[in-house]
Amino acid sequence: GAVVSQHPSRVICKSGTSVKIECRSLDFQATTMFWYRQFPKQSLMLMATSNEGSKATYEQGVEKDKFLINHASLTLSTLTVTSAHPEDSSFYICSARTLAVQETQYFGPGTRLLVL
Amino acid sequence: EDQVTQSPEALRLQEGESSSLNCSYTVSGLRGLFWYRQDPGKGPEFLFTLYSAGEEKEKERLKATLTKKESFLHITAPKPEDSATYLCAVQGSNNNDMRFGAGTRLTVKP
Repeated sequence: GAVVSQHPSRVICKSGTSVKIECRSLDFQATTMFWYRQFPKQSLMLMATSNEGSKATYEQGVEKDKFLINHASLTLSTLTVTSAHPEDSSFYICSARTLAVQETQYFGPGTRLLVL
Repeated sequence: EDQVTQSPEALRLQEGESSSLNCSYTVSGLRGLFWYRQDPGKGPEFLFTLYSAGEEKEKERLKATLTKKESFLHITAPKPEDSATYLCAVQGSNNNDMRFGAGTRLTVKP
């Protein structure tokens, strides 16, 4: 149980284009979903927290107009990187939390984004 | 502000050589301390959640313990497949999310 999927697993795009990443909780309803960014050999940096049906809460320094988050249902959240630039290249990981297991977060497999 | 410090940054063990990873934390109202395993290019895999001092949990060769200031992840007789980065995180009462440590990169040589 507690499986989280992400799609795509890897994406290469040209500078200036937008990229959408999907995060799904496959076998549970996620009250809250989180988006993280991870640079090589570094730990996870929280970008934003999203609750179903409400606006996402962004961490300080994260541009909400650049990283659009939509939490459409209890099993799906999307992150759209708008007008991507090479410095946006990174490993993006989502996680989902269910209150049924006392606030434990379960992580997706991550999406590797490369902006040329 | 909640803080998590993991040590050592990297640890190299021979197969069968038991050891411990440390996670020191400061948090306002601990709601949970979490251990994850992360393989290169993949998302973190959940291992344990600890909620109160004195609590212990085990899974195969791994055992996690918790005090009011730190947590240990004990690895008994590790195998090469235990090689990974182990992440510790805490959630406090003032936050809706977890704060992660930088991780310990474990390498187990055959």
